[in-house]
Amino acid sequence: GQNIDQPTEMTATEGAIVQINCTYQTSGFNGLFWYQQHAGEAPTFLSYNVLDGLEEKGRFSSFLSRSKGYSYLLLKELQMKDSASYLCAASNQAGTALIFGKGTTLSVSS
Amino acid sequence: GAVVSQHPSWVICKSGTSVKIECRSLDFQATTMFWYRQFPKQSLMLMATSNEGSKATYEQGVEKDKFLINHASLTLSTLTVTSAHPEDSSFYICSALRQGASGYTFGSGTRLTVV
Repeated sequence: GQNIDQPTEMTATEGAIVQINCTYQTSGFNGLFWYQQHAGEAPTFLSYNVLDGLEEKGRFSSFLSRSKGYSYLLLKELQMKDSASYLCAASNQAGTALIFGKGTTLSVSS
Repeated sequence: GAVVSQHPSWVICKSGTSVKIECRSLDFQATTMFWYRQFPKQSLMLMATSNEGSKATYEQGVEKDKFLINHASLTLSTLTVTSAHPEDSSFYICSALRQGASGYTFGSGTRLTVV
């Protein structure tokens, strides 16, 4: 079967660093995605990893270990506007739909 | 680049009526589009895969006669919710696939409320 697991909720304070973990089990693998979603809005793309290692994009970084079926999203210098749901999604084959985890709701407080 | 327009943004309809949701790729051709549904505080659940010029592929448990999908051109896919019921109230999101492994672009979503 196909399964993506991530924590349901996380809290952090402004200026802090938070790491959101994701483990996945898919029949094939064509990449791991992270999206940010604010309530009532569509997901916005944050990152894509297909090779092992760390991809850095400003305050956001994403890591992938294919052998462990594991990824994380690292958010640095947290801001209040980072309060949102973060969705981990996997592609098991080129051209097929993304499979989404249930999302992690991050609450950033001052 | 890579913009997907989804209309309407929100719609309220009466039970028993039908609602059509459009998903357009504005600056690229999308032979494949995906339709997702999202209930409150839940993740996106794939409903169907829409391929231009052919019948859509529906996920298990999704009624193809209730959720009609048409993908008649390379830039437009439509989802029609027929004989809508209150339990169909949800957030519907389309995604279009462009070239490249990471080429998934999402529409802005449609909030459907059936009263």
